[in-house]
Amino acid sequence: EGQLSASGGGLVHPGDSLRLSCAASGLTLRDYSMTWVRQAPGKALEWVSSISSGGTNKYYADSVKGRFTVSRDNARNTVYLQMNSLRVEDAGEYFCAKRGPSCNGDSCYSDHWGQGTLVTVSS
Amino acid sequence: DIQMTQSPPSLSASVGDRVTITCRASQNVGKYLAWFQQKPGKAPKALIYVSSTLQSGVPSRFTGTRVGTDFTLTISSLQPDDFATYYCQQYHSYPLTFGGGTKVEIE
Repeated sequence: EGQLSASGGGLVHPGDSLRLSCAASGLTLRDYSMTWVRQAPGKALEWVSSISSGGTNKYYADSVKGRFTVSRDNARNTVYLQMNSLRVEDAGEYFCAKRGPSCNGDSCYSDHWGQGTLVTVSS
Repeated sequence: DIQMTQSPPSLSASVGDRVTITCRASQNVGKYLAWFQQKPGKAPKALIYVSSTLQSGVPSRFTGTRVGTDFTLTISSLQPDDFATYYCQQYHSYPLTFGGGTKVEIE
């Protein structure tokens, strides 16, 4: 099975922007919808965004809608999460995950997760 | 949004114990419930999907069941590798939602 690798995290100030990337090796991402999930330190997992395999359909948590944009470049086998107007509450580990063998319409289970990238938002 | 209420938040158990974790959905999610295991500093690992189907490679001591909107993850005989935090997630509809997690600790 291939690997997913998230990158692009870092330390930023409130109001700043970051772009996270999720690159795949040994795995063809164009075949799968993809999902971003985050986890604040010591807290539970929180779904952030999902994108369909072709990139047409995009879904966002209310907490990030209008500030975050998910996209993908299937030629580069990479998915992105553009995060603008970052807030302190956006801090945490961000994971990317690929669609698994079960969906209900566009809502899918994620069977394979990459290691996360840490986003720190502090003034 | 569909709320997923997971219990207990934590439990202490010994190797060989039978462990049960429950997850209740605030509305119908059908069979579209998954379970994940997460160890400190690591990405979540998929265990079960559609309520009761084991992800490839997951040991058979893990079992998932569903009764209406109540879901259960059972570990039949706890092994040292099973000490971790477990999360349920509904993928019936967006926004996808997770339970608050159950930390399984060594007694």
